[in-house]
Amino acid sequence: NAGVTQTPKFQVLKTGQSMTLQCAQDMNHEYMSWYRQDPGMGLRLIHYSVGAGITDQGEVPNGYNVSRSTTEDFPLRLLSAAPSQTSVYFCASSYSGTENTEAFFGQGTRLTVV
Amino acid sequence: QKEVEQDPGPLSVPEGAIVSLNCTYSNSAFQYFMWYRQYSRKGPELLMYTYSSGNKEDGRFTAQVDKSSKYISLFIRDSQPSDSATYLCAMSALHIQGAQKLVFGQGTRLTINP
Repeated sequence: NAGVTQTPKFQVLKTGQSMTLQCAQDMNHEYMSWYRQDPGMGLRLIHYSVGAGITDQGEVPNGYNVSRSTTEDFPLRLLSAAPSQTSVYFCASSYSGTENTEAFFGQGTRLTVV
Repeated sequence: QKEVEQDPGPLSVPEGAIVSLNCTYSNSAFQYFMWYRQYSRKGPELLMYTYSSGNKEDGRFTAQVDKSSKYISLFIRDSQPSDSATYLCAMSALHIQGAQKLVFGQGTRLTINP
């Protein structure tokens, strides 16, 4: 059972470059989200999706785009990388609904922007 | 002011000690309270989840919520070296359209010394 799979695990970008962080889940979860984790800041929500075709902004959306064309995939795009986007990025998925359910996290993508 | 405050530590205790981890929060809308455990270079994993004020026990772990004081705690009894990890508190409000937006504390880095 793969759960939530993120690729790549590590990436170094130059300032101004663009890239896409991939996230896929095989649990048929409706809700998917992206967080970034910085020292002393915990995890902060970037974007989320409650189903295919539906996305919305979280706490720190600037500089990032998302789309959700399938239930399984939720890629995160960096349009023009900046050093401030150096972070560890986590994708998570869970069942959606009115009650809280367990969020399953991927292993993370460590991104360095130089 | 952050919505959720957590002492980042680090916290180092001897094996067998009782560990107390705490978070305070300011948003009265938070209804769901969680503790995640994150091992080094891994994604967070759900450890405990509570909804109402009071205590919830699971083996050596006890989660405590005091909504009147906006304070949550995680107690670890008979701590083991394998408990060494970063512990993150997380909270969310009632879901809107299935969106489970988690707000995390900064995380406390815990080391259990043999």
